[in-house]
Amino acid sequence: DSGVTQTPKHLITATGQRVTLRCSPRSGDLSVYWYQQSLDQGLQFLIQYYNGEERAKGNILERFSAQQFPDLHSELNLSSLELGDSALYFCASSEEGRRNTEAFFGQGTRLTVV
Amino acid sequence: DQQVKQNSPSLSVQEGRISILNCDYTNSMFDYFLWYKKYPAEGPTFLISISSIKDKNEDGRFTVFLNKSAKHLSLHIVPSQPGDSAVYFCAASAWNTGTASKLTFGTGTRLQVTL
Repeated sequence: DSGVTQTPKHLITATGQRVTLRCSPRSGDLSVYWYQQSLDQGLQFLIQYYNGEERAKGNILERFSAQQFPDLHSELNLSSLELGDSALYFCASSEEGRRNTEAFFGQGTRLTVV
Repeated sequence: DQQVKQNSPSLSVQEGRISILNCDYTNSMFDYFLWYKKYPAEGPTFLISISSIKDKNEDGRFTVFLNKSAKHLSLHIVPSQPGDSAVYFCAASAWNTGTASKLTFGTGTRLQVTL
């Protein structure tokens, strides 16, 4: 158990809809990252939040947005969903203040858009 | 622009033999490198890492080698066991203004250890 919790585990929705994925980081971790993995591809970085503020942005579509709340949990909002958005979405968290630190991943949310 | 590359999508090795997984990177700002292991329907789990100030790091059956001049790292698993069968991701990060930085991942290598 990595200590990172993602809900829901599975989500099936129709094109054009909007969904929210939730992530609770490890206790004490201030940084939260969202990654997308499509069809056995690599993990594509979407966005990073640190202590409630956006820290880095990757290949995140404009239809997608995220936020990190005061209790440090994070949500990834995906709107106007398309078939190609079907993927595994992973959240990860890491400790701050250390130069070399690994990120710990949740089990992911499998999103299927039909 | 794929800054971290794993050119072998799959690798098959006999149990007891050595598995060597390779990774190349292009960004010279990367100074910390990690290997993650992923089983189906699970999140990636951290395996081993190496800082750019070292050229080798060992943890049990797992050793990571870093060749900075070639911008190349490799993961050696000796001896390979059937439970090692998984997808292995190489990742890299760059220290950025004192905060933890995002990891840039390769596309993964699927390792199958056969009996």
